[in-house]
Amino acid sequence: QVQLVESGGGVVQPGRSLRLSCAASGFTFSDYGMNWVRQTPGKGLEWVAVISYDGSKRNYADSVKGRFTISRDNSKNTLSLQMNSLKPEDTAVYYCAKDRVGGGVAGREMDFWGQGTLVTVSS
Amino acid sequence: DIQMTQSPSSLSASVGDRVTITCRASQGISNFLVWYQQKPGKAPNLLIYAASILQSGVPSRFSGSGSGTDFTLTISSLQPEDVATYYCQKYNTAPLTFGGGTKVEIK
Repeated sequence: QVQLVESGGGVVQPGRSLRLSCAASGFTFSDYGMNWVRQTPGKGLEWVAVISYDGSKRNYADSVKGRFTISRDNSKNTLSLQMNSLKPEDTAVYYCAKDRVGGGVAGREMDFWGQGTLVTVSS
Repeated sequence: DIQMTQSPSSLSASVGDRVTITCRASQGISNFLVWYQQKPGKAPNLLIYAASILQSGVPSRFSGSGSGTDFTLTISSLQPEDVATYYCQKYNTAPLTFGGGTKVEIK
């Protein structure tokens, strides 16, 4: 069965960096676009970034553009999110999520989600 | 960027009631709309995609409709296990914006 397991969350000071990972299993990882979505505690969902199945296309929310980088290693079935210049407003649970449909168009409906990892940006 | 507005932000209904949630896009998005259900402490769960196609395994009491700018999620007969927050999301182009959510409770 599909499993997505995020790791790398924690407490970090403003301006510092953090790298999140998402280990995927139970499907052909290299066939699907992958996303990061975040949720501020007690608030709504915010899409963060998407990467195509082969890593050739990436898109970001304006709120993270230039600070966050999404990447993937298809040989290790791993999705990553490098977060630099972190701000208090980046505090959230970060989910990785799989596109329902594989192939060239990335950023679609998301049919499987991980359990999330909490990032807290605070001095 | 296209904004997604959901209404109401919360509702309370009785078991067996018909419940309707609306989602409005600030510009036309054709049928590139998805609905998710999120129960407390859990990740979102895909309910409906392409505005009206029920995801495999989702109970048939859930249905979606709409195209362009106005969309609806309907629960035909509310069940206790439907207590959750429901989100719409558009996916025609990036950014993949979510609506603000609708919290559904049992009266």
